[in-house]
Amino acid sequence: AQSVTQPDARVTVSQGASLQLRCKYSYSGTPYLFWYVQYPRQGLQLLLKYYSGDPVVQGVNGFEAEFSKSNSSFHPRKASVHWSDSAVYFCAVSHNVGDNSKLIWGLGTSLVVNP
Amino acid sequence: EAAVTQSPRNKVTVTGGNVTLSCRQTNSHNYMYWYRQDTGHGLRLIHYSYGAGNLQIGDVPDGYKATRTTQEDFFLLLELASPSQTSLYFCASSDWDWGYEQYFGPGTRLTVL
Repeated sequence: AQSVTQPDARVTVSQGASLQLRCKYSYSGTPYLFWYVQYPRQGLQLLLKYYSGDPVVQGVNGFEAEFSKSNSSFHPRKASVHWSDSAVYFCAVSHNVGDNSKLIWGLGTSLVVNP
Repeated sequence: EAAVTQSPRNKVTVTGGNVTLSCRQTNSHNYMYWYRQDTGHGLRLIHYSYGAGNLQIGDVPDGYKATRTTQEDFFLLLELASPSQTSLYFCASSDWDWGYEQYFGPGTRLTVL
């Protein structure tokens, strides 16, 4: 069965430090992969997405992510975090069968950036 | 620019009450979704739809009905609201030619007393 695992429920880093979040998926076939970010008291916004091509994709706010088919992973990273990056980050994989299309979600990783 | 709106933004009702949450998208997307978000559970899919008149059951459908009246409008109905349905509800839309990326509304916070 398709699934998404975010092993870290909470990550705490200091401002200016580098960051890598983690996401592993289980999916048969070629996945559409997404990372969304939810800032405090807001809805979800797209951070990164991948379907095919260059395994390193650029996202918003200085994030990039590398897709690894062999590791079934899609980990975003940022060279230097800012306190405004504090948010909840969700990984998702698209599950498409016939006319049914939905996203399978991880439980989210809460990022706290200490100033 | 993709746009998904939700109304109301906040709603308080009593146990047993009827609640309708509304969602409208102006993206011309075929797919629309209703989620609830609760601490520790992430996003959970309630119902979704592929076009007007179509309804697909999600992962946590109990206690919820939904109706897609037009391509733009998707409604979530709680006919006998219970305190366990207190949550933050999100609507989203997507389509295959947008790479299945989902565009989210701002959310509706529902409290059932």
